[in-house]
Amino acid sequence: GNSVTQMEGPVTLSEEAFLTINCTYTATGYPSLFWYVQYPGEGLQLLLKATKADDKGSNKGFEATYRKETTSFHLEKGSVQVSDSAVYFCALSFSGGYQKVTFGTGTKLQVIP
Amino acid sequence: DTEVTQTPKHLVMGMTNKKSLKCEQHMGHRAMYWYKQKAKKPPELMFVYSYEKLSINESVPSRFSPECPNSSLLNLHLHALQPEDSALYLCASSQSGTGTDTQYFGPGTRLTVL
Repeated sequence: GNSVTQMEGPVTLSEEAFLTINCTYTATGYPSLFWYVQYPGEGLQLLLKATKADDKGSNKGFEATYRKETTSFHLEKGSVQVSDSAVYFCALSFSGGYQKVTFGTGTKLQVIP
Repeated sequence: DTEVTQTPKHLVMGMTNKKSLKCEQHMGHRAMYWYKQKAKKPPELMFVYSYEKLSINESVPSRFSPECPNSSLLNLHLHALQPEDSALYLCASSQSGTGTDTQYFGPGTRLTVL
């Protein structure tokens, strides 16, 4: 079956530090890949997505590149802010049929001033 | 308007109660979803409605009963729940339900079953 593996959290960084959250996937075929973010007490929001190999998704300073050869979609940001503190979910889904999203377990990020 | 609204925000119910969760979107999306999220876990898909028809039921117990009265509304009727059903219930919608769609999530209803 399909699965998404994320690095364990929580991740604690100082403000302006560089962020990497690793995400790898196992899937038959070529899924679309997503990063969703969940701020405390809220639902999930799409952060960025990529629908084919070598695509780079970017938003709000975050980036991730769809790497087919390593089945990875690592999230990066050059300089984190306290407001980036949240839980980040990597996810995949396929274009055929009804959309069933497979989520990773989530990585909690805490940014301290 | 990219908002999905959910009511109520919080709900406490006994095991013999009947209650309903409501979800609404006005983005013209034709696919709507119910998820259950336990603490420190990812969301688990429960149901998918596509064009107002139930297209996915992830083997959810019958004490959860979804309803899609029209393309903007999605309800989840609850009856005879168990304490282990306590969780955050998230509603989401997407343009047409295909795999490349972005899902837009509501803030959730936090349910406590006593």
